Amino acid sequence: QKEVEQNSGPLSVPEGAIASLNCTYSDRGSQSFFWYRQYSGKSPELIMSIYSNGDKEDGRFTAQLNKASQYVSLLIRDSQPSDSATYLCAVSNYQLIWGAGTKLIIKP
Amino acid sequence: KAGVTQTPRYLIKTRGQQVTLSCSPISGHRSVSWYQQTPGQGLQFLFEYFSETQRNKGNFPGRFSGRQFSNSRSEMNVSTLELGDSALYLCASSLASGTLYEQYFGPGTRLTVT
Repeated sequence: QKEVEQNSGPLSVPEGAIASLNCTYSDRGSQSFFWYRQYSGKSPELIMSIYSNGDKEDGRFTAQLNKASQYVSLLIRDSQPSDSATYLCAVSNYQLIWGAGTKLIIKP
Repeated sequence: KAGVTQTPRYLIKTRGQQVTLSCSPISGHRSVSWYQQTPGQGLQFLFEYFSETQRNKGNFPGRFSGRQFSNSRSEMNVSTLELGDSALYLCASSLASGTLYEQYFGPGTRLTVT
């Protein structure tokens, strides 16, 4: 059974600090990795996609992929209260598998 | 470019009734996936359509069905509604079917079954 695991949280981070969200996956053949942000009552919004090992930066967001260790992480620098949301990790190898999400709370 | 649209946004139905939800993908996107989201179960994959053909199907009963039209618009139908079908139904579109393509979600249809 292909699985994507995330800590459900809540993860509480002070405003201005770095928030680190982690995701592990079981299918070694996975090729595409996505992070989505979902505010309460809203639909998921794509933040980052990453396809090769290493780091990918976009503004305050950095996605990190390590295929050997089968994990992908999302770092949010200078965390803002507006970053408070649930973050979903999705991993694809011809089928998109979703994690249950990590709830992030940024404390002012 | 307009995003994914879903209609209706909210729906209240009675047990035993049926419901049809509609999804219009981003212009140029040919793949549409449907998901059910409930507080306890997270995102559950229903099915994916590409070029009017169902490509993948999740583990849902046959009461859940869908179709895609030649303009890539998609509908999903739930027959004989049960209380447990109350959920947020999300549609996501992507350029094509396959591993590399990012999915973009619509705002969802919130279905309440009483």
